[in-house]
Amino acid sequence: GAGVSQSPSNKVTEKGKDVELRCDPISGHTALYWYRQSLGQGLEFLIYFQGNSAPDKSGLPSDRFSAERTGGSVSTLTIQRTQQEDSAVYLCASSPRAGGPLEQYFGPGTRLTVT
Amino acid sequence: QKEVEQNSGPLSVPEGAIASLNCTYSDRGSQSFFWYRQYSGKSPELIMSIYSNGDKEDGRFTAQLNKASQYVSLLIRDSQPSDSATYLCAVTLAKNTDKLIFGTGTRLQVFP
Repeated sequence: GAGVSQSPSNKVTEKGKDVELRCDPISGHTALYWYRQSLGQGLEFLIYFQGNSAPDKSGLPSDRFSAERTGGSVSTLTIQRTQQEDSAVYLCASSPRAGGPLEQYFGPGTRLTVT
Repeated sequence: QKEVEQNSGPLSVPEGAIASLNCTYSDRGSQSFFWYRQYSGKSPELIMSIYSNGDKEDGRFTAQLNKASQYVSLLIRDSQPSDSATYLCAVTLAKNTDKLIFGTGTRLQVFP
């Protein structure tokens, strides 16, 4: 079946502009995660959605970052007033179930470059 | 102390050898453990999961878990140049089993 998809694959934006990154999880997966990975660095957790529960936003680095998940499926990560330090690869992952051993499957990522 | 620690490497092994990748974690209550492989410029790919003490084998890969010592390892037998990648260890925390904590990864280089 289809895996996790993300769009766009690459995004170049000017400092101060807003950007929206999209993630379409694997069908039927209840959990969705956003991570950020800077060049040569590990995965930085940003936010996760678990079914109809309130999202865990504990990893969002500032109030310029927000995310929503509509209808328990597609998610959008929004970065307002982008800064150069926001340049990174943004990865989305989904997981088939909540509350138990979880296996996350990653999308191809969106490479964001802020100039 | 980091929640998940890995040696950044690179770990260099000759083709055909066994590559041994190690990971330690700080939360004694962690229950789920995963190994991901990440090729340069690509996203992480799940290769192994382990939940119980002992060994779990899948093809050329063996995951080993020792909860008492709080380490998990990945062995790759008959290493191939195509195994050259960064290997990420990930664990769940006792306080939140819905979230994975990733190590920074070990870069493996397999040379012909």
